[in-house]
Amino acid sequence: DAKTTQPPSMDCAEGRAANLPCNHSTISGNEYVYWYRQIHSQGPQYIIHGLKNNETNEMASLIITEDRKSSTLILPHATLRDTAVYYCIVRVAGTGGGNKLTFGTGTQLKVEL
Amino acid sequence: NAGVMQNPRHLVRRRGQEARLRCSPMKGHSHVYWYRQLPEEGLKFMVYLQKENIIDESGMPKERFSAEFPKEGPSILRIQQVVRGDSAAYFCASSPFEGEEKLFFGSGTQLSVL
Repeated sequence: DAKTTQPPSMDCAEGRAANLPCNHSTISGNEYVYWYRQIHSQGPQYIIHGLKNNETNEMASLIITEDRKSSTLILPHATLRDTAVYYCIVRVAGTGGGNKLTFGTGTQLKVEL
Repeated sequence: NAGVMQNPRHLVRRRGQEARLRCSPMKGHSHVYWYRQLPEEGLKFMVYLQKENIIDESGMPKERFSAEFPKEGPSILRIQQVVRGDSAAYFCASSPFEGEEKLFFGSGTQLSVL
């Protein structure tokens, strides 16, 4: 699976959009970009994933650059409850190895009043 | 539909004792993954199981650790003769089949070794 690079920490004001970047310059054509988050002392939570196109769901939007070498997770209106570590993970889906995820160090997002 | 259930939530053991961590996957899920998170570190994959089979145990320590997922009942992660370095949060995740994009995680078991 391709390696990802994320900033170690970010701050965001409550109510503003939080834009979390991720670099994955060695991504392969069949590798997806997944985002999970981990709120303190809880298990990780799936947020969103995509291959090429931008994706949006009730939690967030995922913007993938045309060359697929980087992506941005957008939380449109961050709240205090969005304070968490956000993990960007790149992997191939369903290739016989199960859905094993390799977590990096992620980005600690702190949402403040 | 209940989520992934892990118990106990907290487990305290003395050095040399055995620790048994249980994970009941979501209903209909037959794939289970165990992860370990040491203090101030990221999550590390340990083992991937399907019913009655270990598929990938590349992240399991070679000694003292074992995992099973029987035909009936929860998945068990067993740590024999625990040492202080085993103190960590252990998370279980499940998915309904291979290829499904999401993993659903439990709330974890915090193991403390005295």
